[in-house]
Order: sequence, then C-alpha cells, then structure tokens
Amino acid sequence: EPEVTQTPSHQVTQMGQEVILRCVPISNHLYFYWYRQILGQKVEFLVSFYNNEISEKSEIFDDQFSVERPDGSNFTLKIRSTKLEDSAMYFCASSRDYSFTDTQYFGPGTRLTVL
Amino acid sequence: KNEVEQSPQNLTAQEGEFITINCSYSVGISALHWLQQHPGGGIVSLFMLSSGKKKHGRLIATINIQEKHSSLHITASHPRDSAVYICAVRWSGGGADGLTFGKGTHLIIQP
Repeated sequence: EPEVTQTPSHQVTQMGQEVILRCVPISNHLYFYWYRQILGQKVEFLVSFYNNEISEKSEIFDDQFSVERPDGSNFTLKIRSTKLEDSAMYFCASSRDYSFTDTQYFGPGTRLTVL
Repeated sequence: KNEVEQSPQNLTAQEGEFITINCSYSVGISALHWLQQHPGGGIVSLFMLSSGKKKHGRLIATINIQEKHSSLHITASHPRDSAVYICAVRWSGGGADGLTFGKGTHLIIQP
C-alpha cells in the first residue's frame, strides 16, 4: 500500500541553524500539508500546498518557514533559523482530492530537537 | 477563537467494552476528521465525515451537524485499540485555517 515517507526520523540541531525536513507524498496525490506537534500538546496545522504554491498557512508559519516541491516527488519544509520552541514532531501529509475534505495520509513524522 | 473539544480526555476500559469518544465544536464545519495516534507518534486517518455515519470494521463515526457534535464508537474493544484518538475539523465560511485539532482522547484497553 502506498505511504507517505519522511526523512530524517530524528533531527538534532543547534539553535540558529537551518534545517530541512523531507517528505515523499503518495505519488498520485495533489495536496500536501505540514503539521507540527509540540510534545504533550495538540497537533497544529502549518501549511498546505497545491499546484506548486502555498494554498493556506497558519499564524505559526511565519517568515522563518518555507516549503518547496523541488522535484516531482519530494516536498520539503525549511526552517531558516531554528529556535528552541521549534522543537516538535513534524508530520507531512498528502491527499488526492480537495484540500481538507478528503482523507489525508500522514507520514511517520520527523522529531526535531533544537538545542 | 473557534475550538474543538473532546471528551473524555482519558478513558480506561476492559477488553470487549463498547467505547464512545465525543467531539464538539463551536461553529459550522465543512468536514470532520477522526484520527488515531499510536504510542510511537504515527497518525492514521480513520474517517472523514461531512454528514451522517460511517463504519469501518469495529469503528463507527457519526456526526450531528445541527448539534455540532460527533462521536467515535469502538465495538468489542481490544488492547490493540489503545491509542490517542483525535478529532479535527475544517471550519466552513471560507477561512484559511487548515484543520483545527482537538487535544485527543487517550484510550487504554486492558486485557
């Protein structure tokens, strides 16, 4: 069964460094998403992406975040200058049809630890 | 701010029991998702609902749009059902807010 994959599974970085989290969505899916979950807290929406551009973003998704689909398969989340409060689990998801009213398939997550 | 409330926060039950987890929300929605988060952190989508009822195996999800309420039921519960169950909604009205998630219900099924 097709699945969403994410790399790395765990990333440790120093505060102020740039990190890139990678995701490979399911191949025939058109909509892509990033979510984050700070330890012990609820999942939060960051951004959705369709047709090579951001379609929605939350207040959390400020100028230090960016997303890109550099080729036909990868979908990346970049954090330019990491802060301690960026430590969280980051989940990528994809869906085939219309954003948010279709089933989303989640990747296993990348645990980001900022020291 | 629009909110999603889940109850109970924690639920411990014996194997075989019928489980109900509730989700209520503050304003109109266009879709409601039920998700399962495993102890290791992975998230699996269980249902997406905009009206009525859906069933998959031992899981049943219902939604009452007028009452702004949804329930997730598990019949003949099993220890492997132990997980966090999360409700998430898409607000109607044209906002660009993605999905709003509840805090989750932590379910433990004891053998």
